[in-house]
Amino acid sequence: QVQLVQSGAEVKKPGASVRVSCKTSGYSFTMYGISWVRQAPGQGLEWMGWFSSYNGRTVYAQKVQDRVTMTTDASTSTAYMELRSLRSDDTAVYYCARVLGVYSSSPPGFDYWGQGTLVTVSS
Amino acid sequence: QSALTQPASVSGSPGQAITISCTGTGSDVGSYNLISWYQQHPGKAPKLMTYEVNKRPSGVSDRFSGSKSGNTASLTISGLQAEDEANYYCSSYAGTSTPVIFGGGTKLTVL
Repeated sequence: QVQLVQSGAEVKKPGASVRVSCKTSGYSFTMYGISWVRQAPGQGLEWMGWFSSYNGRTVYAQKVQDRVTMTTDASTSTAYMELRSLRSDDTAVYYCARVLGVYSSSPPGFDYWGQGTLVTVSS
Repeated sequence: QSALTQPASVSGSPGQAITISCTGTGSDVGSYNLISWYQQHPGKAPKLMTYEVNKRPSGVSDRFSGSKSGNTASLTISGLQAEDEANYYCSSYAGTSTPVIFGGGTKLTVL
């Protein structure tokens, strides 16, 4: 069965960086895109970016594009999200999610999600 | 790109039907049929309920249905059940530079 298992909770100081991993299994990793979505405490979902299996490119949300890097390692079927220069308003649960559809060029939705990783930014 | 607009809360009694709206613009909801809806229970990851406006993933009850008219998408839940109480989020494709935008979320209360 399809599974996305994320790394554990992190506590970081302002200005630091965090790297969250998302290990996938149960499907062909290279055929599906991966997206990252975050959710601040008590708030809604915020899309951060996605890696497209269609063209191998990564697109980031404007709000974080200067501070985020999303990568994939096909050899281990793992996706990574690194966020730099952390601020208090980066405190959130970070989710990875599989893009619905093989080699999708425009994400119609996210059909499998990781369990979430809480990142707390506090001095 | 602004978030899609959803009502903050809706409520209904068991067995009733409710509809949650999701209003965007001609650059997102109005231009693409790549609308999806997610259900999220507290402390849990979101779950895909409908995609491409009105398609349901395998395993999702047919009590959940999606639709779209102009710049507004809707999720209808018929035969409300206690376990439907959750937060619901809509999402739309919005073009290559900002592929995904979410709505602010709607809290559904089953009375």
